[in-house]
Amino acid sequence: GAGVSQSPSNKVTEKGKDVELRCDPISGHTALYWYRQSLGQGLEFLIYFQGNSAPDKSGLPSDRFSAERTGGSVSTLTIQRTQQEDSAVYLCASSLVRNTEAFFGQGTRLTVV
Amino acid sequence: RKEVEQDPGPFNVPEGATVAFNCTYSNSASQSFFWYRQDCRKEPKLLMSVYSSGNEDGRFTAQLNRASQYISLLIRDSKLSDSATYLCVPPEGGGATNKLIFGTGTLLAVQP
Repeated sequence: GAGVSQSPSNKVTEKGKDVELRCDPISGHTALYWYRQSLGQGLEFLIYFQGNSAPDKSGLPSDRFSAERTGGSVSTLTIQRTQQEDSAVYLCASSLVRNTEAFFGQGTRLTVV
Repeated sequence: RKEVEQDPGPFNVPEGATVAFNCTYSNSASQSFFWYRQDCRKEPKLLMSVYSSGNEDGRFTAQLNRASQYISLLIRDSKLSDSATYLCVPPEGGGATNKLIFGTGTLLAVQP
């Protein structure tokens, strides 16, 4: 089925390296969200894109984190100079429009060693 | 006050029991809200969407109490397979924002 697709599913990187995580939302969905989930914790909001509006970046934990969404579709989350505390599962979700149900990808498990 | 608050549990209940979870939120004029279910090491999956004051789907009932600013999820006749973490998304993500803010989740363990 044409669900939300994330890649890679797993990523191991050395401390200090940059990583890019990719999200392909459901076709036609205008809203896209990134969340981070550490082991045993809840979903931490990172960033939200809605159509052509300026993204809501209020959840990004530091300036090492950035995200873009090209052509209103695919999104890339970039973490520069990774730290061990960045290790978590990064989840992407999309919804048709704002305030409607969101559907999640399977996540990218990032491990910084 | 946090935007969204949930009792983390765990709720340990026997099979067949009825269990209810609440989720409190900040003021919002919206009525749409959602409950998600997350199994261990899996992504959250939508359980119920509600675009009014409540919804019932089989053994599951979701309700909105706007006066007291909480949403609830009731599970009747619990099954072993209901064991999971239940995440709420209250109206307008819990506040005057457009993003979906999730509660931290309530862990349910149904025991034989």
